[in-house]
Amino acid sequence: DIQMTQSPSSLSASVGDRVTITCRASQSISSYLNWYQQKPGKAPKLLIYAASSLQSGVPSRFSGSGSGTDFTLTISSLQPEDFATYYCQQSYSTPVFTFGPGTKVDIK
Amino acid sequence: QVQLVESGGGVVQPGGSLRLSCAASGFTFSSYGMHWVRQAPGKGLEWVAFIRYDGSNKYYADSVKGRFTISRDNSKNTLYLQMNSLRAEDTAVYYCAKDIIVVVQRSYYYYMDVWGKGTTVTVSS
Repeated sequence: DIQMTQSPSSLSASVGDRVTITCRASQSISSYLNWYQQKPGKAPKLLIYAASSLQSGVPSRFSGSGSGTDFTLTISSLQPEDFATYYCQQSYSTPVFTFGPGTKVDIK
Repeated sequence: QVQLVESGGGVVQPGGSLRLSCAASGFTFSSYGMHWVRQAPGKGLEWVAFIRYDGSNKYYADSVKGRFTISRDNSKNTLYLQMNSLRAEDTAVYYCAKDIIVVVQRSYYYYMDVWGKGTTVTVSS
């Protein structure tokens, strides 16, 4: 089974900061990596698919990169509505998907 | 608009059963695979099960294999999750999600593009 890890598990940042979250797969998954945002009490929302493709309607301050085993999600200028938990998800072994443990972004 | 609405959650004793439903609208339900994903209190997301658009193939997480059954009724635009032999560790919010396939540079990529709001299952005596 493919295992996913994320770092950091949490971070504190200020509005306007550049934020980077890392996701690592236990084996190569090419570009089969998605990113989701989840706010408290809400369902997850897709941000990025295929490692770097921005989902329609998602602000351009979000970007994804990487391939193989190492991936990053970057928020170029953190906005108040971006405080949330972010999950990576591998789809290499589709339809058996695996999520990372999440990274919580909160206000400094 | 595209919408998924889960129902059927509740409180059940260990060893009991529950059936969750997910009503779909705003898209051609019979053309898409569907997932169940759960989230235990204060924990991360866990993929639970997937069913192909026509119900021909089903896949399960090891944690629920043999206890949960995913099914669908395309005539009713509804997805189901039959949960038997429930355990305390099955306590979670259960989400249904629509599967989507896109082609990027001639490769097929998969993700969950629409999610319901979830239904809460509590397993407790």
